[in-house]
Amino acid sequence: DTAVSQTPKYLVTQMGNDKSIKCEQNLGHDTMYWYKQDSKKFLKIMFSYNNKELIINETVPNRFSPKSPDKAHLNLHINSLELGDSAVYFCASSVTSVKDTQYFGPGTRLTVL
Amino acid sequence: GENVEQHPSTLSVQEGDSAVIKCTYSDSASNYFPWYKQELGKRPQLIIDIRSNVGEKKDQRIAVTLNKTAKHFSLHITETQPEDSAVYFCAAGSGTASKLTFGTGTRLQVTL
Repeated sequence: DTAVSQTPKYLVTQMGNDKSIKCEQNLGHDTMYWYKQDSKKFLKIMFSYNNKELIINETVPNRFSPKSPDKAHLNLHINSLELGDSAVYFCASSVTSVKDTQYFGPGTRLTVL
Repeated sequence: GENVEQHPSTLSVQEGDSAVIKCTYSDSASNYFPWYKQELGKRPQLIIDIRSNVGEKKDQRIAVTLNKTAKHFSLHITETQPEDSAVYFCAAGSGTASKLTFGTGTRLQVTL
């Protein structure tokens, strides 16, 4: 009965590879988000989708491409991984808008070697 | 865009003492201010939030105050316990921006 789930939990890969992270929420929320938390713990919004439509794209390199096949799923694909992409990536969801509580997934720790 | 500053970056208090974390924001359109707690290796979780039509909100040992004129808001934890040890994040959001901007976090350590 996990509310927001992500897979995988850990991802270790080489520079230049392409990888995907999947997120699913069973809360019936309309809005989903991707956040990046770097080694200093800074939590920064990357993307936001509302009912499968992109509403926020925060100056993220276009190597990062989100995809929302339906409003319960938001996946993140990363091409040509770089060392600086190493971080914890959190998915989150909220009922509708940013003023609703955001529920975070468990995070995916990405390590690029 | 919105800029949220958070202080202090680290805070150590003895069990039973109070802890105060302060944040300032820059965008006067921001009208929603949540606080998240993140334990080591875990996800951020909402502990309390306040909207701009309210000056103070309490939930047991936790309270948040908001000064819209000065554009700052604070988290107050009373009677701290070891399980309060975590990183706390403030955030500011508005419907206009459609996003939350997080502060840089405060690592709270409650010692016995």
